Amino acid sequence: SQKIEQNSEALNIQEGKTATLTCNYTNYSPAYLQWYRQDPGRGPVFLLLIRENEKEKRKERLKVTFDTTLKQSLFHITASQPADSATYLCALGGRTGFQKLVFGTGTRLLVSP
Amino acid sequence: DSGVTQTPKHLITATGQRVTLRCSPRSGDLSVYWYQQSLDQGLQFLIQYYNGEERAKGNILERFSAQQFPDLHSELNLSSLELGDSALYFCASTEPTGDSNQPQHFGDGTRLSIL
Repeated sequence: SQKIEQNSEALNIQEGKTATLTCNYTNYSPAYLQWYRQDPGRGPVFLLLIRENEKEKRKERLKVTFDTTLKQSLFHITASQPADSATYLCALGGRTGFQKLVFGTGTRLLVSP
Repeated sequence: DSGVTQTPKHLITATGQRVTLRCSPRSGDLSVYWYQQSLDQGLQFLIQYYNGEERAKGNILERFSAQQFPDLHSELNLSSLELGDSALYFCASTEPTGDSNQPQHFGDGTRLSIL
């Protein structure tokens, strides 16, 4: 069955450093991948979408890579700030319309001042 | 603010009861998705509606049902509630292409607690 793995342990980093979060998947061939941010008690907020034919996508301090050979996506936050502390979810999407997104369980990021 | 509104924010009820969760999508969005989020399971897709029609079904129990009304708001009905149904229930909507290959805009959820 489809499986998405994100680090269940929290990632602790210092302000100003680059945070790198990993999303690995098996038994799936997604057409695209999305990253979301979720704060406690709030709904997920969309950050970035990357398609299978794209290697890298950037948006301000955020960068996402997508390696379909390794079946892995990396999510980077450069010059991290305490306000970046949150849980980050990756979600995989299928090849035809109306297919569900499959979400990972998320990785909690803690950025200390 | 995502523009997606969910009510109520909190719901406390007992086993065996029935509840209705309500979602209003962003203005202009035609698709509504329902998700369940529990501590050990993460976000689980339940069901999707597009312009009033059911489009995709996920791990939705037979005790659960949903519908989307002509004004595009949606309701998720949960019946014969069990302790394990305690979770956060999220609704999301997408732009009116009908394609799930779009960013999803989530409401802030309804927290359901079964006593």
